[in-house]
Amino acid sequence: QKEVEQNSGPLSVPEGAIASLNCTYSDRVSQSFFWYRQYSGKSPELIMSIYSNGDKEDGRFTAQLNKASQYVSLLIRDSQPSDSATYLCAVIGNAGGTSYGKLTFGQGTILTVHP
Amino acid sequence: KAGVTQTPRYLIKTRGQQVTLSCSPISGHRSVSWYQQTPGQGLQFLFEYFSETQRNKGNFPGRFSGRQFSNSRSEMNVSTLELGDSALYLCASSLEGLAGIYNEQFFGPGTRLTVL
Repeated sequence: QKEVEQNSGPLSVPEGAIASLNCTYSDRVSQSFFWYRQYSGKSPELIMSIYSNGDKEDGRFTAQLNKASQYVSLLIRDSQPSDSATYLCAVIGNAGGTSYGKLTFGQGTILTVHP
Repeated sequence: KAGVTQTPRYLIKTRGQQVTLSCSPISGHRSVSWYQQTPGQGLQFLFEYFSETQRNKGNFPGRFSGRQFSNSRSEMNVSTLELGDSALYLCASSLEGLAGIYNEQFFGPGTRLTVL
């Protein structure tokens, strides 16, 4: 079982729709959860971080965390063509030495928003 | 506040050579992590440095090494390059490299290494 798994893509949504990206993780001691956006040929850009159960909203983005189900999601409302990118779910644990500075990434979900 | 910078941005090397990549973290960030990104394996953790000490290491051969200087700048070195080392090498900085609020990692633009 992979440590961090994301829903298989690619995901294609029309402009103005809600895009839903999902992620599950296997390590129960994971403490911090992140969503990065990566445009083709660019480096990952942090768009959301979430640390406690529930929802966190930032503009058109909402991150949801359920630690009991080991599940993280990202909703993008009013999707725009400029949102077309690969979205990476990342997790960092809290297990001392083996966690220092180590983000574990999912394989990414390619999102395409078509006009 | 300036972001994470990496040099060089592109490198072409031949098998057997060695290469050194540089990373300057965001001012005030003391933790620097390095990652390798390839189409097949995705983003994989190489190692992390904090206060000039390697605190964590991923599952890579000893040909991959790094160091950190007193100003938190970091370098990574790959010796005896192999074709499979062709990848995007990314560094990321954070305040302390721990889980928790205010320890988000921010990535530099990366160094694209091609091994011929």
